[in-house]
Amino acid sequence: EAQVTQNPRYLITVTGKKLTVTCSQNMNHEYMSWYRQDPGLGLRQIYYSMNVEVTDKGDVPEGYKVSRKEKRNFPLILESPSPNQTSLYFCASSTARGAYEQYFGPGTRLTVT
Amino acid sequence: KNQVEQSPQSLIILEGKNCTLQCNYTVSPFSNLRWYKQDTGRGPVSLTIMTFSENTKSNGRYTATLDADTKQSSLHITASQLSDSASYICVVREQTGANNLFFGTGTRLTVIP
Repeated sequence: EAQVTQNPRYLITVTGKKLTVTCSQNMNHEYMSWYRQDPGLGLRQIYYSMNVEVTDKGDVPEGYKVSRKEKRNFPLILESPSPNQTSLYFCASSTARGAYEQYFGPGTRLTVT
Repeated sequence: KNQVEQSPQSLIILEGKNCTLQCNYTVSPFSNLRWYKQDTGRGPVSLTIMTFSENTKSNGRYTATLDADTKQSSLHITASQLSDSASYICVVREQTGANNLFFGTGTRLTVIP
């Protein structure tokens, strides 16, 4: 089944404790991205990747890192999480950056206390 | 400034009734517009995509319209079902090399029996 998977789905952590949210897609998509979704603000792009070893900042990249060492994986790293990063996070992938449909993962709900 | 605005923010309707959700945008130059359905706790799923030359597109009980001149789109849901309860997100892509996406904040639809 074609899908985007994220892990973990739920995470509660404390300020400053490094964490990684994994994202994997099995559709051989070149383009992957991370979004956060907050009430009243909608989806905002954090980082995106056009292909392996190619990443770029989205609209809200502060406090986040990403890497794209393999085509299928695009982990999101929070080196020192803060409470304002409490949010719902979505990974998405598509064939390329353009008119192609993005397929979203199931989401990761992160709470930073 | 490129923006996407959706209305209403939330809507409650009786099962079996029709409803229409609105999306106004200022994104220019325009490439395409997608409507996504997002069930609670899950990632968005594409319903329809419309390009500049398309006025109407249907997907089952969902019908999207686009007026590129007034920069308005609507999503009409016919004979609503309880499973239509979800957030509906309008996403507009700009026609530039960057192919940026602009997300609306969504309309939360609740269908009650």
